[in-house]
Amino acid sequence: AQSVTQLDSQVPVFEEAPVELRCNYSSSVSVYLFWYVQYPNQGLQLLLKYLSGSTLVKSINGFEAEFNKSQTSFHLRKPSVHISDTAEYFCAVSPTNTGNQFYFGTGTSLTVIP
Amino acid sequence: KAGVTQTPRYLIKTRGQQVTLSCSPISGHRSVSWYQQTPGQGLQFLFEYFSETQRNKGNFPGRFSGRQFSNSRSEMNVSTLELGDSALYLCASSTPGTVYEQYFGPGTRLTVT
Repeated sequence: AQSVTQLDSQVPVFEEAPVELRCNYSSSVSVYLFWYVQYPNQGLQLLLKYLSGSTLVKSINGFEAEFNKSQTSFHLRKPSVHISDTAEYFCAVSPTNTGNQFYFGTGTSLTVIP
Repeated sequence: KAGVTQTPRYLIKTRGQQVTLSCSPISGHRSVSWYQQTPGQGLQFLFEYFSETQRNKGNFPGRFSGRQFSNSRSEMNVSTLELGDSALYLCASSTPGTVYEQYFGPGTRLTVT
């Protein structure tokens, strides 16, 4: 079975400060890892994903996440946040052997304070 | 390409009624997945359809059902609605070759009174 834990339900941070959103997962099989972002009244958008290869993956808007297999973590970081980063962030895993089935964490609400 | 569309966007029903939600995937996408999103539970997987067949199923009661048509459009149905079914229902489509990268619709907000 798979499960995803996002340790922080809410994260307030001042504009231009760094932020880390934590994600840990549990799985008996290999998984792909994803971060999705949800802006108010919108669906989820893929932010970045880890499939294989380099454990550090980056998005086009400055976010990055590092896959740590030994700690089964996939934390999301950004060195300097903007007001526009205020949103809900979801970590998800998908087993590599079961097709299109995703398991999501409960989400972290990031609020950027001016 | 147009994105994933879901109709209706908002719905109010009373307990005991049934409801049908619709999802039109991105053109060319053959897989459609449904999720229930609630504040306390986050996103929970309901089921996935691929080429008109249910391929994966989450841990929801039989009151929740779905189907997919030959044009890949999908519907989900909830019968005998309960107050706890109030949620945002999200649909996502994907296509093989993108390592199952899912594209989400804006959701249908269902309120059960």
